[in-house]
Amino acid sequence: GQQVMQIPQYQHVQEGEDFTTYCNSSTTLSNIQWYKQRPGGHPVFLIQLVKSGEVKKQKRLTFQFGEAKKNSSLHITATQTTDVGTYFCAGGRTSYDKVIFGPGTSLSVIP
Amino acid sequence: EAQVTQNPRYLITVTGKKLTVTCSQNMNHEYMSWYRQDPGLGLRQIYYSMNVEVTDKGDVPEGYKVSRKEKRNFPLILESPSPNQTSLYFCASSLQHQWQPQHFGDGTRLSIL
Repeated sequence: GQQVMQIPQYQHVQEGEDFTTYCNSSTTLSNIQWYKQRPGGHPVFLIQLVKSGEVKKQKRLTFQFGEAKKNSSLHITATQTTDVGTYFCAGGRTSYDKVIFGPGTSLSVIP
Repeated sequence: EAQVTQNPRYLITVTGKKLTVTCSQNMNHEYMSWYRQDPGLGLRQIYYSMNVEVTDKGDVPEGYKVSRKEKRNFPLILESPSPNQTSLYFCASSLQHQWQPQHFGDGTRLSIL
């Protein structure tokens, strides 16, 4: 079945350093979503990507969808303590397919 | 305030004792879904509903039931809970389908002894 993988599983960075998490699918995706979950909280929607090669920015966050639509990345520039949490990607093969979440990347930021 | 409300937030119970986790949303969303979250496995979908009286299995439906008699409510039923259903459960809703932003409840932590 379809699998969505994320690396790394954990990342510890010094405040001010950059951070990147990668999302990889075993099949071509039609859509990919990114969510953030703060410790003890619930997932919160960040963004959705639908086009091959698409790049979207939200302040210090840059999201990219691969040309082959089988991978995606989230890059945070100059991390802050407010960036702490687990970042999940979620994808599906078609617009009518079930959403498959990746296992998440847990980010810790050392002040 | 737009929200998804789950109850209870925490529950410790014993094997075999039927339980229901309620989920209610006040955004008039058509799509609702239940997920369980386990360490290292991310969020796995249990059941989802595209509209009233329309429900379908997700990836891990065994041992669970759902119903969607009203648009706002989507309860999750464990008829005979077992220890492997100990987990953190999230209800979510979106306007029409899963490819619109999903709004999550605060979660229900279930411990089945």
